[in-house]
Amino acid sequence: ETGVTQTPRHLVMGMTNKKSLKCEQHLGHNAMYWYKQSAKKPLELMFVYSLEERVENNSVPSRFSPECPNSSHLFLHLHTLQPEDSALYLCASSQYLFGEQYFGPGTRLTVT
Amino acid sequence: AQTVTQSQPEMSVQEAETVTLSCTYDTSESDYYLFWYKQPPSRQMILVIRQEAYKQQNATENRFSVNFQKAAKSFSLKISDSQLGDAAMYFCAYRSASGAGSYQLTFGKGTKLSVIP
Repeated sequence: ETGVTQTPRHLVMGMTNKKSLKCEQHLGHNAMYWYKQSAKKPLELMFVYSLEERVENNSVPSRFSPECPNSSHLFLHLHTLQPEDSALYLCASSQYLFGEQYFGPGTRLTVT
Repeated sequence: AQTVTQSQPEMSVQEAETVTLSCTYDTSESDYYLFWYKQPPSRQMILVIRQEAYKQQNATENRFSVNFQKAAKSFSLKISDSQLGDAAMYFCAYRSASGAGSYQLTFGKGTKLSVIP
């Protein structure tokens, strides 16, 4: 595997389910990011981690819970989501916090 | 706060022709970075080109070049000799060069480019 990978690529979940999105970067980077991409809206930065410490939480509802166990992995834990949370969730990484960001292919999430 | 505006939701170009995608931004900062990202149907956001605001010379990457007009706060992308593989969503993005939040990219809403064979 190279670059930034995300699993699963597609996820359908009910509003009462709990699921997790996984991101892994194979670039030796130290910073990782979660973005939300909704139709007709600009990408929204959700969370930022640098050296496994969270540095940004952009007023994201608590039903989204990030976890960064090491510099190569980033998770987004989901619970009791709403239909408006349906979107493409993109992960990115950069060599350091202010470096160029490399994106993964995203997870298409549908909340029913 | 910075904003990025892409006024063309959709554009099309004939294969082998040239197309220009528009982007304007609003900022009070003097030092920053501008980017064009490409998102093909595979959904992976790929960096196409970047421009540092302090550089007057326009960035180029093979068939891709930009027209950076700092005073006008304009940053357009020109794709020459368009190929079928250029069909994608194109996003313009801004990032501050300094300050606590300078890791944050501000994106426009995107322009969907179709390439006609």
